[in-house]
Amino acid sequence: GAGVSQTPSNKVTEKGKYVELRCDPISGHTALYWYRQSLGQGPEFLIYFQGTGAADDSGLPNDRFFAVRPEGSVSTLKIQRTERGDSAVYLCASSFTGGWGEQFFGPGTRLTVL
Amino acid sequence: GQQLNQSPQSMFIQEGEDVSMNCTSSSIFNTWLWYKQDPGEGPVLLIALYKAGELTSNGRLTAQFGITRKDSFLNISASIPSDVGIYFCAGQRDNAGNMLTFGGGTRLMVKP
Repeated sequence: GAGVSQTPSNKVTEKGKYVELRCDPISGHTALYWYRQSLGQGPEFLIYFQGTGAADDSGLPNDRFFAVRPEGSVSTLKIQRTERGDSAVYLCASSFTGGWGEQFFGPGTRLTVL
Repeated sequence: GQQLNQSPQSMFIQEGEDVSMNCTSSSIFNTWLWYKQDPGEGPVLLIALYKAGELTSNGRLTAQFGITRKDSFLNISASIPSDVGIYFCAGQRDNAGNMLTFGGGTRLMVKP
């Protein structure tokens, strides 16, 4: 069956530019999560959606980062005025209800800011 | 930064060997999850643990949820070449919503 998909798989941009990363969760999953993974480290939480609303955005590093999920399915992570330190793999995960337990991850988008 | 301490950071395995890795925390976690990540891919869920003291197996993998709720271990028996990769523990806490907190990973490599 279809898992979590993310596009693009790779994105190279220049410092100061705006980027959008897309996540398509597993069909029927109400909860969606964004994580960021720097080289050699485990993923770090950014934001969690339950349905259309952001239930927890405490992991967003600053106001250049924003995410939406307007119809409760696909989500877009938006980064304004990108900086070199934003370079990382951005992972999306979904789970059936958003309660305790199993989150299923997509393949990630590797973002490189030159 | 990471709040879960995972060890060892890396290890070499020989085919057929048993492998053990663990994860510790200064905080209590109510769910422990173990993931495997291959290069260029997202983490894949291996085992989920929901109760202190729980011991759960998935094929050659066995994981335990520590009785203090501050640690977990993962064992792989009779390792095979495709076990190579990075293994992450992750926990969920009561007062931290539904986010996962990840360890730094254990990289499994094959002995030359």
